[in-house]
Amino acid sequence: AQTVTQSQPEMSVQEAETVTLSCTYDTSESDYYLFWYKQPPSRQMILVIRQEAYKQQNATENRFSVNFQKAAKSFSLKISDSQLGDAAMYFCAYRDDRGSNYQLIWGAGTKLIIKP
Amino acid sequence: EAQVTQNPRYLITVTGKKLTVTCSQNMNHEYMSWYRQDPGLGLRQIYYSMNVEVTDKGDVPEGYKVSRKEKRNFPLILESPSPNQTSLYFCASSFLSAGVGSPLHFGNGTRLTVT
Repeated sequence: AQTVTQSQPEMSVQEAETVTLSCTYDTSESDYYLFWYKQPPSRQMILVIRQEAYKQQNATENRFSVNFQKAAKSFSLKISDSQLGDAAMYFCAYRDDRGSNYQLIWGAGTKLIIKP
Repeated sequence: EAQVTQNPRYLITVTGKKLTVTCSQNMNHEYMSWYRQDPGLGLRQIYYSMNVEVTDKGDVPEGYKVSRKEKRNFPLILESPSPNQTSLYFCASSFLSAGVGSPLHFGNGTRLTVT
C-alpha cells in the first residue's frame, strides 16, 4: 500500500530565510502525482504545488519549489524568502489511479513556524 | 465563485444523536469525497463518490453514511455518533476527466465534538 511520511513534526525558520520540508513516499506505481497542501490556522486546505511523476523538471510556484527525486521516492518543499503568512501546517500527499477511489494519501504534516 | 461549501463549521453533539454535515460544490465536479483529520494522522478518506448514485467506502467508513442524489451535494451522515468520531471533517471535490492530477478543492472543514 502507498504511504507518505513526513519526518519533521515541526520546523522553524527566520523570516526572509529559506526552509525545506521533507517528504518521502512508498509506491510501486510509475505514474502518480504528488502534492503539497498548506493548512493555515483558518483550517482551509490550500494547494501549494503539484508534481507529476513523469516530469523530470521540478515544479515551482513563485517562492515555492520542490526537489523531486523519483528513484529515492523523495519530494521535499523549499520555501524561499519565508514570510509570516507562510506559518501553517504543511501536508505532503500522493495520488494515483490504481484501484478506483482516486484518494489522496496524506503524510502526518509538518508545522512551520516563522520567527519575525 | 468556485467553491465547496460545507456546513456547519462547528458542531457539538451527544452520543447517539443523529447528525448530518452538508457539502455542496458549484464546479460540476464528478468526484467528491469526505476525509477526517486527526492530529498526527494526516487526513484519512471516509467515503467517496465518482458520480451521482455511485458511492464507495474509503479507509475509515465505520459509523458513517453518505448519499449522492445530486451531482453537487454529498452529505455525510452519522447515524449514532460516538466520542471516537470527534474530529475535523473535510469535504473535497475534483474533476475525474482531468485524471489524478486534478487537484482536490476543499471545504472549510467541520469541527465535530461528540460528548
